[in-house]
Amino acid sequence: QVQLQESGPGLVNPSQTLSLTCTVSGGSISGGGYYWTWIRQHPGKGLEWIGYIFYSGTTFYNPSLKSRVTILVDTSKNQFSLKLTSVTAADTAVYYCARRVVMVTAPFDSWGQGTLVTVSS
Amino acid sequence: SYVLTQSPSVSVAPGQTANITCGANDIGEYSVHWYQQKPGQAPVLVVHDDSDRPSGIPERFSGSNSGSTATLTISRVEAGDEADYFCQVWDGNTDHVVFGGGTKLTVL
Repeated sequence: QVQLQESGPGLVNPSQTLSLTCTVSGGSISGGGYYWTWIRQHPGKGLEWIGYIFYSGTTFYNPSLKSRVTILVDTSKNQFSLKLTSVTAADTAVYYCARRVVMVTAPFDSWGQGTLVTVSS
Repeated sequence: SYVLTQSPSVSVAPGQTANITCGANDIGEYSVHWYQQKPGQAPVLVVHDDSDRPSGIPERFSGSNSGSTATLTISRVEAGDEADYFCQVWDGNTDHVVFGGGTKLTVL
């Protein structure tokens, strides 16, 4: 069974870049068939889709974050990553990585446990 | 952009039925997925494609979708069902993911 695990700094200074990595085990990113996704949840709030990447590097981003987001994949390490630039307190959230089948209507069937990132000086 | 509307909260007594709704224009034309999230935990898929249950999800969880409302129904509610529930669709017009704002289910 596939498992996803987020990692990265829990504290980021305002105006800096938030960087997180999701390590996938129990399945190969390069095998294709899935979109590898970042989702965040502000404290006490709902879920916000950030974007996703295919093993080939093709990406789709939430328009509201697109100018600040980069998602990359490293198939040799079976990881994908998130970079969010120019962060503010509004980017404080729990960040989840997840996967969904490459099918138009597929749900997110596996999630990481999430990692809290706080933006503060 | 496509917006999914959920009531902020639903309360139900143990053993009763909880109906959690997700509203949007023509949502019946979309495939709706439902996630359960307990405090401090990641969301868990409980219903996908309107009415299908992943393996391991109790039959008490069911879903329907028609017109402008999708509904997650939890029968014979238990204390352990207390959680936030989110609906989600794939907006094929934009290739983007959309989540509802979530409904907090309280078991009285």
